[in-house]
Amino acid sequence: GENVEQHPSTLSVQEGDSAVIKCTYSDSASNYFPWYKQELGKGPQLIIDIRSNVGEKKDQRIAVTLNKTAKHFSLHITETQPEDSAVYFCAAKQGFKTIFGAGTRLFVKA
Amino acid sequence: DAGVIQSPRHEVTEMGQEVTLRCKPISGHDYLFWYRQTMMRGLELLIYFNNNVPIDDSGMPEDRFSAKMPNASFSTLKIQPSEPRDSAVYFCASSLKNALNEQFFGPGTRLTVL
Repeated sequence: GENVEQHPSTLSVQEGDSAVIKCTYSDSASNYFPWYKQELGKGPQLIIDIRSNVGEKKDQRIAVTLNKTAKHFSLHITETQPEDSAVYFCAAKQGFKTIFGAGTRLFVKA
Repeated sequence: DAGVIQSPRHEVTEMGQEVTLRCKPISGHDYLFWYRQTMMRGLELLIYFNNNVPIDDSGMPEDRFSAKMPNASFSTLKIQPSEPRDSAVYFCASSLKNALNEQFFGPGTRLTVL
């Protein structure tokens, strides 16, 4: 089955700096790659996604890239703000089954 | 819409007791998912339903776990008997029928089994 690895597990950045989280997946049949943000005491919330026929997608300060050949995808957050502090999960999806990475705890220091 | 609703938000019970977690998906969503989140294993899919029918329950850890969806607006996840290792946060999520659609998660139920 699909396996998603996510790095780093913890990331600390200064406000205004960029943050990058990287994931790899194992099954080339996966065709949809969502990213979720989870704040304390809440459920994960989708922040951006990318489909397998697209290499890059951007939404304001957030961008995702996908390299299908290498089975890598990444989340880039620019101009980080304290409210970006949360746990971020990457995921790979085949049909309706979503496999999540282990999560990255992002700290943005003011 | 109020989003996905889960109850209770917190549950503390003793080993051996039956636990029932409840979920109300977003109206009009065809798919409902149950996840478990722990520090050790992260977010794991337990089971999902399409139009109230269980489609894949391969993530259900043991026979002690069961899930039902008697109608489009209600689902339960039951653990009987509960064990301390079942302590986790259980999330319910729902989505529209297109596989590329977003899953909307509920706030979760934090279960502690003593």
